Amino acid sequence: KAGVTQTPRYLIKTRGQQVTLSCSPISGHRSVSWYQQTPGQGLQFLFEYFSETQRNKGNFPGRFSGRQFSNSRSEMNVSTLELGDSALYLCASSLGVGNLDTEAFFGQGTRLTVV
Amino acid sequence: QKEVEQNSGPLSVPEGAIASLNCTYSDRGSQSFFWYRQYSGKSPELIMFIYSNGDKEDGRFTAQLNKASQYVSLLIRDSQPSDSATYLCADSGGYQKVTFGTGTKLQVIP
Repeated sequence: KAGVTQTPRYLIKTRGQQVTLSCSPISGHRSVSWYQQTPGQGLQFLFEYFSETQRNKGNFPGRFSGRQFSNSRSEMNVSTLELGDSALYLCASSLGVGNLDTEAFFGQGTRLTVV
Repeated sequence: QKEVEQNSGPLSVPEGAIASLNCTYSDRGSQSFFWYRQYSGKSPELIMFIYSNGDKEDGRFTAQLNKASQYVSLLIRDSQPSDSATYLCADSGGYQKVTFGTGTKLQVIP
C-alpha cells in the first residue's frame, strides 16, 4: 500500500512570499497532522485535520493555515514567509479514530528554505 | 499546553551495551505514549507504544511507563550501530494531537 506522499520535497522561497505544501495520506486514513521540525525546536505541532475539519491547532501564527479535501488530501499554506520559517515540514496520516495506539505514519517531508 | 521533555544528547554507548532513553511529561492525565525513531534525513517511524504502567517488551526494545512519576523510558539492549538515530518520545494525546519531545540523539560506537 502506498505511503504518505508529500510534495514538493524541496522548496526555496524568498522572504515575503507564500508557499503551499501538499500531503496525500495513506488510503483510508482520514486524519492528517502537520508538524514543523527545526534543529532547535524539534517537532512542533501545527494542526490536525479530520474529515475536512480542523480538529486541533498548535501555537503558530495565523500565517500558517491548512485545509483538507474530501479525498483526505491536505494542504498547508504559509503566507508572508520569514527566515525563521525555514524548516522540514512533516505530514502524518492516521485513521484518526479508534484506539489510542492508532499509529501515525509520516511522509518524507518538505524541506523549505526561506532566503 | 502539554509538554514532553527529553535530553537532546548525544547519548553515546558502546556496541552491545544497553542504551537508556528517558522523557518526562507534563500532563498527569496523559494515558499513552509513543517512541519514534528518526534516522538522519529521514522521517520518524514508530517503534513502540505503551499504555499501561510497567514494562512493554518488543525484541531488543523495552518501553517503561511510570504514571506516578510522569516519565517514560526506552531501553535498547545489545545496542547496534544501526540503532544510531534520534529517538522521539510522544504523548499520544488520544490520537488527535500528538505532542513530541525534541528527541534524544543516540550514537552507538562500534
